Amino acid sequence: SQQGEEDPQALSIQEGENATMNCSYKTSINNLQWYRQNSGRGLVHLILIRSNEREKHSGRLRVTLDTSKKSSSLLITASRAADTASYFCATVDVNTDKLIFGTGTRLQVFP
Amino acid sequence: GAGVSQSPSNKVTEKGKDVELRCDPISGHTALYWYRQSLGQGLEFLIYFQGNSAPDKSGLPSDRFSAERTGGSVSTLTIQRTQQEDSAVYLCASSPGLAGVGEQFFGPGTRLTVL
Repeated sequence: SQQGEEDPQALSIQEGENATMNCSYKTSINNLQWYRQNSGRGLVHLILIRSNEREKHSGRLRVTLDTSKKSSSLLITASRAADTASYFCATVDVNTDKLIFGTGTRLQVFP
Repeated sequence: GAGVSQSPSNKVTEKGKDVELRCDPISGHTALYWYRQSLGQGLEFLIYFQGNSAPDKSGLPSDRFSAERTGGSVSTLTIQRTQQEDSAVYLCASSPGLAGVGEQFFGPGTRLTVL
């Protein structure tokens, strides 16, 4: 089963623009992670934000977490064509310790 | 060092046949996960191994699916009497410890096609 939903399901932007993806989840979590997937194969970890953190940065990535709303957002600034991929949020349930993935956002960045 | 590896990378089989998918996690990683991803979909949790604890099998879709992890390292996912709806990419991931601690490292996946 999937923990939550992401929106939008698909996003198309021009190079240089910012891309924002949102993730909602259902249970109490230990942390929330964002992953990137190219071409439907292996996923690459991007960033992890703990439940007691509200914002985190890594390069051009900015992640926010609102545990009261059970939601997170991933912002990619100054996007590049190479950022084209699917992006997934994943949450670690405090009770089960399983990492459960959202439905993903397909990002297309046009040069 | 070497990452998570999976074999085969692609598997085509006939309906009703059994298949075995292999995952070699990163050495020393105690946690190992199997996920399934259908075309254009998110990742569906299948099974989770953590150290010597009993595996969490709550995601296995039917009793045709089973998995083992020998010696706390290599894992094999077995699908018996394959059906066309089993066609998907099967992803394996490992992590150093509890998921609550940090990231998972993914293998490249096995693309299974059941004809």
